[in-house]
Amino acid sequence: DGGITQSPKYLFRKEGQNVTLSCEQNLNHDAMYWYRQDPGQGLRLIYYSQIVNDFQKGDIAEGYSVSREKKESFPLTVTSAQKNPTAFYLCASSISNRAYGYTFGSGTRLTVV
Amino acid sequence: GQNIDQPTEMTATEGAIVQINCTYQTSGFNGLFWYQQHAGEAPTFLSYNVLDGLEEKGRFSSFLSRSKGYSYLLLKELQMKDSASYLCAVDNFGNEKLTFGTGTRLTIIP
Repeated sequence: DGGITQSPKYLFRKEGQNVTLSCEQNLNHDAMYWYRQDPGQGLRLIYYSQIVNDFQKGDIAEGYSVSREKKESFPLTVTSAQKNPTAFYLCASSISNRAYGYTFGSGTRLTVV
Repeated sequence: GQNIDQPTEMTATEGAIVQINCTYQTSGFNGLFWYQQHAGEAPTFLSYNVLDGLEEKGRFSSFLSRSKGYSYLLLKELQMKDSASYLCAVDNFGNEKLTFGTGTRLTIIP
């Protein structure tokens, strides 16, 4: 079955540490996206990528980094520069013209301890 | 720029009908999506409207008026499991991503 997989489901980070969230899709989608969602809030775009080896900043990119070395993979690193990283992180993918919208992963809940 | 407005919260009674509105101001409109998101879970696709009119899919229907920049999601025969957030998202020509509203949290009461 095709889909998009995020791991881990829950992640705990100590202050000052970098952590990387995994996102893998086997849908052959060109575009991939990372969103952050805080309790009771909407989705805020962190980074997105339309093709391999290229990505663009979203609305809240500070303190985050990404890579897109393979079409299937779009990992997100939450760096120590992100001062308030505790949130629910969602990865999504789509075909290039978004005609069928996004397919979302199941999310990673990151907590700073 | 783009602006998408949805009510923050709504409450409805089991078995009843509820309408969730979404208004948008944007250029190059290309379509509007509705997603359902249960707490702590990923959003799931409900509907997609490109042309004016009503799209019906079981208990859920979605309406679009491009000239008015307006859409609504209609939920009939409400069930407790319909308690969730409902996200409106707009697609625009030349924009490489969807723009999401802040979502409407719907609570169904017995």
